Amino acid sequence: DIQMTQSPSSLSASVGDRVTITCRASQTISNYLNWYQQKPGKAPKLLIYAASTLQAGVPSRFNGSGSGTEFTLTITSLTPEDFAIYFCQQSYSTPKLTFGGGTNVEI
Amino acid sequence: QVQLQESGPGLVKPSETLSLSCTVSGGSINNYYWSWIRQPPGKGLEWIAYVHYTGGTNYNPSLKSRVTISVDTAKNQFSLKVSAVTAADTAMYYCARFNITGIKGGRFFDYWGQGTLVTVSS
Repeated sequence: DIQMTQSPSSLSASVGDRVTITCRASQTISNYLNWYQQKPGKAPKLLIYAASTLQAGVPSRFNGSGSGTEFTLTITSLTPEDFAIYFCQQSYSTPKLTFGGGTNVEI
Repeated sequence: QVQLQESGPGLVKPSETLSLSCTVSGGSINNYYWSWIRQPPGKGLEWIAYVHYTGGTNYNPSLKSRVTISVDTAKNQFSLKVSAVTAADTAMYYCARFNITGIKGGRFFDYWGQGTLVTVSS
């Protein structure tokens, strides 16, 4: 199985801050890495796919980068609606799709 | 706009079979893969299985012995069964579209249902 490790597991930030979340894969996954945002009581929402491609309708303050085993999600200037949990997910190994443990971005 | 809606019992007894359905509206179930993902309360996401509209399937190896996923194109629905449930199967269950595009890296869950909470308890 490919393990996905996110760091940090939680962080405190303020509106306007630049926030960076890291996701590491236990083996190379090329660019088969997606990022999702989940707000309380809601389903996850796709933000970025293929490591760096912004999903339609997602604000440009979200930026994804990386390849191989290390990836980052950056929010360039945090807004109040960005406080949520963020998950990475690998789709390189389709016999078993796996998610990271999540990063809780809180005030 | 594609929409997904889960349906099924919210309470299942231990050792019984959990059965859920997902109805797809605003688009055809054809030409895509469809998946189930679950999230225990306060925990992370676990992929369960996906099914192609032609009926081809892929299961999480850790659940494979207890899980069946199927599709009904005539009803624009797909379904999940989990047998011999225990308290560890208590979770929010989401259905989602697994979009496999032709681009490198382009395999992702792009539409999700709102989720349905299933509790396993006697």
